[in-house]
Amino acid sequence: DQQVKQNSPSLSVQEGRISILNCDYTNSMFDYFLWYKKYPAEGPTFLISISSIKDKNEDGRFTVFLNKSAKHLSLHIVPSQPGDSAVYFCAASHFGNEKLTFGTGTRLTIIP
Amino acid sequence: SQTIHQWPATLVQPVGSPLSLECTVEGTSNPNLYWYRQAAGRGLQLLFYSVGIGQISSEVPQNLSASRPQDRQFILSSKKLLLSDSGFYLCAWNRGTASYEQYFGPGTRLTVT
Repeated sequence: DQQVKQNSPSLSVQEGRISILNCDYTNSMFDYFLWYKKYPAEGPTFLISISSIKDKNEDGRFTVFLNKSAKHLSLHIVPSQPGDSAVYFCAASHFGNEKLTFGTGTRLTIIP
Repeated sequence: SQTIHQWPATLVQPVGSPLSLECTVEGTSNPNLYWYRQAAGRGLQLLFYSVGIGQISSEVPQNLSASRPQDRQFILSSKKLLLSDSGFYLCAWNRGTASYEQYFGPGTRLTVT
């Protein structure tokens, strides 16, 4: 059972425009959500996170939005840059759980 | 600052051979440690995690095993590799209680031939 879903395996965006990556979850116990960025042959790097007590969190060009009623979160990257081309994973967890549940990833390609 | 090391970076092994991948963390104590596998075109699959020395939880039944002989050392092993064990193996750590963010090592590319 895939509890965290990223339904778009790939996304192409023009440089300078907004990239929007989506993630859906099914487990209502999840109360903390994270986004990771991964380049080929490297380990994922932590980007940004959000707690379920918030609906938005910003860090520079990256903003994560959480819609708890829809069990949906999104990562916005503005403006998109060529170095943003990577695979993005969303992940979720809940209080008392030492584990993260990851989605299958979305490959973002920024077109110069 | 904390750093996480994995070795080797790449490995090519024949079917039926043993495996030992090592992960060490520096700059922290009593971390939670994790082993993940990313198969080609797939997401991150949690294989094992450990909250302390000698404490290993297995997520997926398979021919792999894990051990934590020291506080900041995590080892992934197999007695006999299968073709399906090929993939990109990642070690990660976090601070444990009330800390969700995990920090990943550079990974090991394993090809079983």
